[in-house]
Amino acid sequence: NAGVTQTPKFQVLKTGQSMTLQCAQDMNHNSMYWYRQDPGMGLRLIYYSASEGTTDKGEVPNGYNVSRLNKREFSLRLESAAPSQTSVYFCASSAIRPTEAFFGQGTRLTVV
Amino acid sequence: QKEVEQDPGPLSVPEGAIVSLNCTYSNSAFQYFMWYRQYSRKGPELLMYTYSSGNKEDGRFTAQVDKSSKYISLFIRDSQPSDSATYLCAMSFPGFSGGGADGLTFGKGTHLIIQP
Repeated sequence: NAGVTQTPKFQVLKTGQSMTLQCAQDMNHNSMYWYRQDPGMGLRLIYYSASEGTTDKGEVPNGYNVSRLNKREFSLRLESAAPSQTSVYFCASSAIRPTEAFFGQGTRLTVV
Repeated sequence: QKEVEQDPGPLSVPEGAIVSLNCTYSNSAFQYFMWYRQYSRKGPELLMYTYSSGNKEDGRFTAQVDKSSKYISLFIRDSQPSDSATYLCAMSFPGFSGGGADGLTFGKGTHLIIQP
């Protein structure tokens, strides 16, 4: 029972490079989320998808785009990475409401 | 306004002690309250989930919500070294309304150390 799977687990990018973080869940959840976690800032919501076919901005969406590919998969794209995007990124999913969200193991991204 | 306040610690207690972790919040519209445990370099793991005010117990863990005071607590009885982790409180509105206020709003976490 995998739950929420994120790839890659680690990544180093140069400023200006692009990349896509992948997330898949096998719990048949409707809602999926991308958070970033920074020291002293806690977890902050970047984007979410309340249901398949919809996406919406969270608290810190600038510099990111998302795609809800199907019910299982929700990807996060950095078009032109900046050092300020160095963070740990977590994908999460929940059945319906934002409550009881289950998290993946995270992607540690460093932008140099 | 979404602010959630949580003391970052560290909070160090001897094994077997009762641990009390707390959060305060400012937005009275929050209705769902969660506690997550996060081990170093791992993802947050859901521990407890409570709707509105009241208590909920699960084994050694008890969650309390006092909406009138905008205050939530997590109690850990008979604490073990394996409980050493960062504990995150989180809360949410009942549904999705758009505009960046959805999802879970987290406290910054309390680092808990249980001394053997």
